[in-house]
Amino acid sequence: QKEVEQNSGPLSVPEGAIASLNCTYSDRGSQSFFWYRQYSGKSPELIMFIYSNGDKEDGRFTAQLNKASQYVSLLIRDSQPSDSATYLCAAISGSARQLTFGSGTQLTVLP
Amino acid sequence: GAVVSQHPSRVICKSGTSVKIECRSLDFQATTMFWYRQFPKKSLMLMATSNEGSKATYEQGVEKDKFLINHASLTLSTLTVTSAHPEDSSFYICSATSLAGDETQYFGPGTRLLVL
Repeated sequence: QKEVEQNSGPLSVPEGAIASLNCTYSDRGSQSFFWYRQYSGKSPELIMFIYSNGDKEDGRFTAQLNKASQYVSLLIRDSQPSDSATYLCAAISGSARQLTFGSGTQLTVLP
Repeated sequence: GAVVSQHPSRVICKSGTSVKIECRSLDFQATTMFWYRQFPKKSLMLMATSNEGSKATYEQGVEKDKFLINHASLTLSTLTVTSAHPEDSSFYICSATSLAGDETQYFGPGTRLLVL
């Protein structure tokens, strides 16, 4: 069983819309969660991290964490074509404190 | 801040040769460095975790003698792919966590290896 699950998409939204990316995790001991963006052929770049239940906002991005439901999401407001990428959800768990990645959601923002 | 570099960015080599990839944390000291590989349209697969001055911890299925990792200082880790074969062709990415920070991993730009 994959420890971090994401809808692989592809997800398409029109420019200016809100893109909603979802992620669930199976390890209740996970405490730290990360969203990375990966453009084709490039390495992941950190967008946000979240540790506490609730919302965390940074510019056009809002991360949401619900530990009871084991659910993490990323909202992208006013989506731009440059946001088109694969978004990776990751969680840190276990004694080794390693990142476990989801398979990624491919987002396309249509101009 | 939190910049990680990798060198080379791209390498093409003949089957049977060894290739060394460097990973450097440029503006911070890294407690731990991680090595990943990624196949096209797949997610990142952790290969090994390394801490400065100690032996790397390899994930199940990753050959220690094939993928040699050296973490000689708090800012440098190297991955050597020994006797490379075409099936080793992949995108290799390192990441690092800061000695002074939290568990956030900052990724290098990756090295694309093609073995002919």
